[in-house]
Amino acid sequence: GQQLNQSPQSMFIQEGEDVSMNCTSSSIFNTWLWYKQDPGEGPVLLIALYKAGELTSNGRLTAQFGITRKDSFLNISASIPSDVGIYFCAGQKRGQGAQKLVFGQGTRLTINP
Amino acid sequence: NAGVTQTPKFRILKIGQSMTLQCAQDMNHNYMYWYRQDPGMGLKLIYYSVGAGITDKGEVPNGYNVSRSTTEDFPLRLELAAPSQTSVYFCASSYSPSYEQYFGPGTRLTVT
Repeated sequence: GQQLNQSPQSMFIQEGEDVSMNCTSSSIFNTWLWYKQDPGEGPVLLIALYKAGELTSNGRLTAQFGITRKDSFLNISASIPSDVGIYFCAGQKRGQGAQKLVFGQGTRLTINP
Repeated sequence: NAGVTQTPKFRILKIGQSMTLQCAQDMNHNYMYWYRQDPGMGLKLIYYSVGAGITDKGEVPNGYNVSRSTTEDFPLRLELAAPSQTSVYFCASSYSPSYEQYFGPGTRLTVT
């Protein structure tokens, strides 16, 4: 089945640094979602994007829906220890329900204090 | 509200054994989903349900069965466990297919 390409696969940064990650696809999506998974927990929705070019923030997190509709980006500013976890992107196509969500393989974020 | 709960949290099975992974939600959501998460991979949909009594296959249904007798519960059944079913299993629910999915904490299953 189709899978989104997420990069980088892992990141090791210092506390206070900014983080950037992205998600790309060979096909167009109409909704992009970004989830965070804490160790031993299920994913939690961070940001949802519904329109090409849309830029949405949630605290220190900012996500963008790419103009081509084939990519999305997530930025975290001034990282803190609780940002540690795995970040997943997911795409949904027009007219398709959540049962057709396609997930990226995740970006594992590690922060050195 | 407890949200989405899953039991057990961990389980080790021998090849050929069977088990049921339990999932319950108290948000009165119609839609429920079962995913598996393999290392370095995104979530893959196993089965989903749009309401009590209605289930359908996802992307990777082979080796699994589900039932949905109530709105609250959506158990996943493994009949003949195989090593390829070693994974972390997540249950999720949503009000509708266009709304946010809420995930349970997961069940880590090892088949040896």
